[in-house]
Amino acid sequence: DQQVKQNSPSLSVQEGRISILNCDYTNSMFDYFLWYKKYPAEGPTFLISISSIKDKNEDGRFTVFLNKSAKHLSLHIVPSQPGDSAVYFCAASEGNFGNEKLTFGTGTRLTIIP
Amino acid sequence: SQTIHQWPATLVQPVGSPLSLECTVEGTSNPNLYWYRQAAGRGLQLLFYSVGIGQISSEVPQNLSASRPQDRQFILSSKKLLLSDSGFYLCAWGTGISYEQYFGPGTRLTVT
Repeated sequence: DQQVKQNSPSLSVQEGRISILNCDYTNSMFDYFLWYKKYPAEGPTFLISISSIKDKNEDGRFTVFLNKSAKHLSLHIVPSQPGDSAVYFCAASEGNFGNEKLTFGTGTRLTIIP
Repeated sequence: SQTIHQWPATLVQPVGSPLSLECTVEGTSNPNLYWYRQAAGRGLQLLFYSVGIGQISSEVPQNLSASRPQDRQFILSSKKLLLSDSGFYLCAWGTGISYEQYFGPGTRLTVT
């Protein structure tokens, strides 16, 4: 049972445009969400996160939006740059400090076209 | 600053052979430690986590095991590898007071 879903396995965006990556979840106990970026043959790097008490969080070119009623979150990258080409994973936690287990989606491969 | 190391970077092992992957964290004490596996075309699957020395919780029944002999050392082992154990193995650490986890560079395991 995939509790965190990224339904688009790949996405191509022109350089300078907005990239929008989507993520859906089914577990209503999730209350903290994270986005990771992964290059081939490397470990994922943490990008940005959001708590369920918020609906938006920004960090530079990256913004995450959370719609709790729809159990949906999205990552916006503006403007997109060639270095943003990578696989992006959405992750969620039920928020138990001391054991912050993360459930990951299957990832979306973003390709930025110069 | 904190750093996390994993070795080896790549490994090719025959079916039925043993496995030992090591992960160490520097620059922090009493971290939560995690082992994940990414199979081809799949997401990251949590295998084991540890909140302290000697404390291991298993998420997925399998022929793998984990141990934490020291505060910042986490080991993934198998007595006999299966073909299905092939994948990209990632170690991660967390502070226990925030949700973010920080990943090592990973080990690419191919079982032949």
